[in-house]
Amino acid sequence: KQEVTQIPAALSVPEGENLVLNCSFTDSAIYNLQWFRQDPGKGLTSLLLIQSSQREQTSGRLNASLDKSSGRSTLYIAASQPGDSATYLCAVVGNAGNMLTFGGGTRLMVKP
Amino acid sequence: KAGVTQTPRYLIKTRGQQVTLSCSPISGHRSVSWYQQTPGQGLQFLFEYFSETQRNKGNFPGRFSGRQFSNSRSEMNVSTLELGDSALYLCASTSGQGDYNEQFFGPGTRLTVL
Repeated sequence: KQEVTQIPAALSVPEGENLVLNCSFTDSAIYNLQWFRQDPGKGLTSLLLIQSSQREQTSGRLNASLDKSSGRSTLYIAASQPGDSATYLCAVVGNAGNMLTFGGGTRLMVKP
Repeated sequence: KAGVTQTPRYLIKTRGQQVTLSCSPISGHRSVSWYQQTPGQGLQFLFEYFSETQRNKGNFPGRFSGRQFSNSRSEMNVSTLELGDSALYLCASTSGQGDYNEQFFGPGTRLTVL
């Protein structure tokens, strides 16, 4: 059974810092990995999708990497801003259709 | 292009009642999945529908059921509500073509069971 873990569970940084969020998964037989952002009480916003054949994806100040063999992904946020404060979730798709298995999330607070 | 929509946004029910939630996927998307989010268990997969057929099912009791219509809109039903069913219910849609595509979530339905 696939298990996804995110470390740290919470993170507080001053504005302007570069930061890295970590995601690990136990079964390397994944088809893709997706990073999401969730604001309190809201739905999930897709940030980046990495297919299993890819090593990284970039969107603006965000960069996500994937090392399938070691079961790890990182989300790098450059020059953090208070508006980046949210919970960040990673999820993987295995061999059961489009079922996403989620990590517990990292709650990020960026202080002005 | 309109995003994933869910109705209603908020619901308050009492134990023993039943509830139906609705999800309209992004136009052209044929796969709809449902998730339950609680503070204790996080996000858990309920089921996925593709072209009106249930393709996958999570580990939830039979009180949780769903269906998909020919226009890809989906409903989920929870019968005999329990206090523990209080949660944010989220649906996600993806094109379903070739699988493993980006998934987009709706704003969710907040269900409170009293």
